Amino acid sequence: AQSVSQHNHHVILSEAASLELGCNYSYGGTVNLFWYVQYPGQHLQLLLKYFSGDPLVKGIKGFEAEFIKSKFSFNLRKPSVQWSDTAEYFCAVMDTGRRALTFGSGTRLQVQP
Amino acid sequence: ETGVTQTPRHLVMGMTNKKSLKCEQHLGHNAMYWYKQSAKKPLELMFVYSLEERVENNSVPSRFSPECPNSSHLFLHLHTLQPEDSALYLCASSQGPLDEQFFGPGTRLTVL
Repeated sequence: AQSVSQHNHHVILSEAASLELGCNYSYGGTVNLFWYVQYPGQHLQLLLKYFSGDPLVKGIKGFEAEFIKSKFSFNLRKPSVQWSDTAEYFCAVMDTGRRALTFGSGTRLQVQP
Repeated sequence: ETGVTQTPRHLVMGMTNKKSLKCEQHLGHNAMYWYKQSAKKPLELMFVYSLEERVENNSVPSRFSPECPNSSHLFLHLHTLQPEDSALYLCASSQGPLDEQFFGPGTRLTVL
C-alpha cells in the first residue's frame, strides 16, 4: 500500500527563518502531489499542487515545493516564515491509477514572533 | 456561502444511537469524499463517490453507511458506534477524481 511520510512532526521557528518540510512517498507510479494547510480553527486548504511540468511549483502565501522524482520527495519550502504561518501542514499523494489520495500524518509548525 | 459545508459541527452520541452527518458542496463538483481524522494519525479515506456512484470503500465497518442522493449532497449514517470511532469526520469534493479536493470544516464526533 502507498504511504506518505512527513519526517517532522513539530517544528518551531522564529519569524523570518527559512522553512523546509519534508515529504516522501512510497508509490512508484504516476502521482499528483499536494500540500494542504490547516490554520488553527479552520478547515484544510490547498497550499499548492503538482500534476506535471516544472517540478518547482509555487503556491499561495510565498510557499513553494519541489518534486524530485528520483527521491520520491515533494518538500515544502518558504524563505521567510511569518507568525501567521503557524498551522498544521499535510502532504498528500494521489495515485492516479487507483485514484486514491493518501495523506501524511502532518507537521505542526509554530512560528514565534 | 462557503464551498463545502458540514452539519452538525459537533455531535455527541451514545453507542446505541443512530445519527447522520450531512455534507453539501456548492462548487459544482462531481466527486465527494468522507475522511476520518483521528489524533496523531493521518487522514483516512473512508468513502469516495464519483457521479453519485460509490467507487471506493476502504474496509470501513458497516456501522458507517454513506449515502449520496445527488452530486451536491453526501451523508454518513452512523449506528451502534464504538468509542474508538470518536474523531473529526471531514467531507471533501473535487471536480474529478484526480483533481484537488476542497474540504469542509468537519464534524467533531464523540461516542460515549
